[in-house]
Amino acid sequence: GEQVEQRPPHLSVREGDSAVITCTYTDPNSYYFFWYKQEPGASLQLLMKVFSSTEINEGQGFTVLLNKKDKRLSLNLTAAHPGDSAAYFCAVSITGNTGKLIFGLGTTLQVQP
Amino acid sequence: EAAVTQSPRSKVAVTGGKVTLSCHQTNNHDYMYWYRQDTGHGLRLIHYSYVADSTEKGDIPDGYKASRPSQENFSLILELASLSQTAVYFCASSKQGDQDTQYFGPGTRLLVL
Repeated sequence: GEQVEQRPPHLSVREGDSAVITCTYTDPNSYYFFWYKQEPGASLQLLMKVFSSTEINEGQGFTVLLNKKDKRLSLNLTAAHPGDSAAYFCAVSITGNTGKLIFGLGTTLQVQP
Repeated sequence: EAAVTQSPRSKVAVTGGKVTLSCHQTNNHDYMYWYRQDTGHGLRLIHYSYVADSTEKGDIPDGYKASRPSQENFSLILELASLSQTAVYFCASSKQGDQDTQYFGPGTRLLVL
């Protein structure tokens, strides 16, 4: 079945630096792709849903790139600030709208002032 | 504001005891899910439901039962709690036609002693 590998598990950057988190997946039929943010002790907040191979800038300080050829999804925080410190999870759905998501193991990001 | 709420937010249970975790959503969503989160495992799907009075097994259903008495409510039941079920449990909901876009509750931290 689908496997999702997320890297790195831990990431520490200075304020203003960029931070890149990457997920690779195995199933070429994977359909929708998601990034979630989880602040300490809090729930998962949906950051973005991606469907096609396109670069999207949500205007909130990050970009998402999906490369279906390489089966790779990335989240790039372009100028990280301390409020970005959290755990980030990618999730992949198979064949679209089944409701079954496969999550990566997560990346704990720490942004130092 | 539409929301997913969970109760209790934290619980300490004894091994062999019965535990019921509750989830309530005001999103008017048809689909509801129960996940567990463990360090090093990301989120894994336990049970889900797409209509009241019906539940489906997820990827790790053993040791858990689910109940969906109404569209708004979804419970997770541990008949005989075990140490290995210590985890954070998240409920989520999604709407028909967009099942993969899931919205999460705040989580329940369960400690089984």
